[in-house]
Amino acid sequence: GAVVSQHPSWVICKSGTSVKIECRSLDFQATTMFWYRQFPKQSLMLMATSNEGSKATYEQGVEKDKFLINHASLTLSTLTVTSAHPEDSSFYICSVPPRGTYEQYFGPGTRLTVT
Amino acid sequence: TQLLEQSPQFLSIQEGENLTVYCNSSSVFSSLQWYRQEPGEGPVLLVTVVTGGEVKKLKRLTFQFGDARKDSSLHITAAQPGDTGLYLCAGADKTSYDKVIFGPGTSLSVIP
Repeated sequence: GAVVSQHPSWVICKSGTSVKIECRSLDFQATTMFWYRQFPKQSLMLMATSNEGSKATYEQGVEKDKFLINHASLTLSTLTVTSAHPEDSSFYICSVPPRGTYEQYFGPGTRLTVT
Repeated sequence: TQLLEQSPQFLSIQEGENLTVYCNSSSVFSSLQWYRQEPGEGPVLLVTVVTGGEVKKLKRLTFQFGDARKDSSLHITAAQPGDTGLYLCAGADKTSYDKVIFGPGTSLSVIP
């Protein structure tokens, strides 16, 4: 099956710093990738749709200037959390939808802790 | 607005018992998927159901899509500790071909 990787798997940073998370599609090219965040014991919340070669589409309530998304190639999307605060601490997960299907293949997630 | 509800929200059972998890909506979905997520990992796709009334089996797991394509169920027979995890149903968003809407999840704990 499809394989999606994320890096890093976990990161601890100080308040006010920026953190970049990478999502790579290893098995196929993806013009679209999705970024989610998940709080403990809760479901996934879609943050934004990453579009290769164009601007990301953000969900309502998600600050685009805080969560910068870059989809520079057909296999790589990055999410940068700028000026991180403790409330940004969460589990961030990306997914890749194979073309022609309704399914999503998820990365292993990145645990962000802001101190 | 398309919404998916799941019940129960939490479930703790003994090994060997059977259980059913439900996913419901007032909206029609072209397809529904079921995922399982273990702590600290990303969700893993279990199955996709597309046709109303469809039943799919995956070892001890049986998935059913409602005739009206508004609901789905997941039945686990003889649950094992390895079945422990968060079960999520998801449906294709009508407004976007690739986007999916997730239910709130059912957290299952199987006690040895």
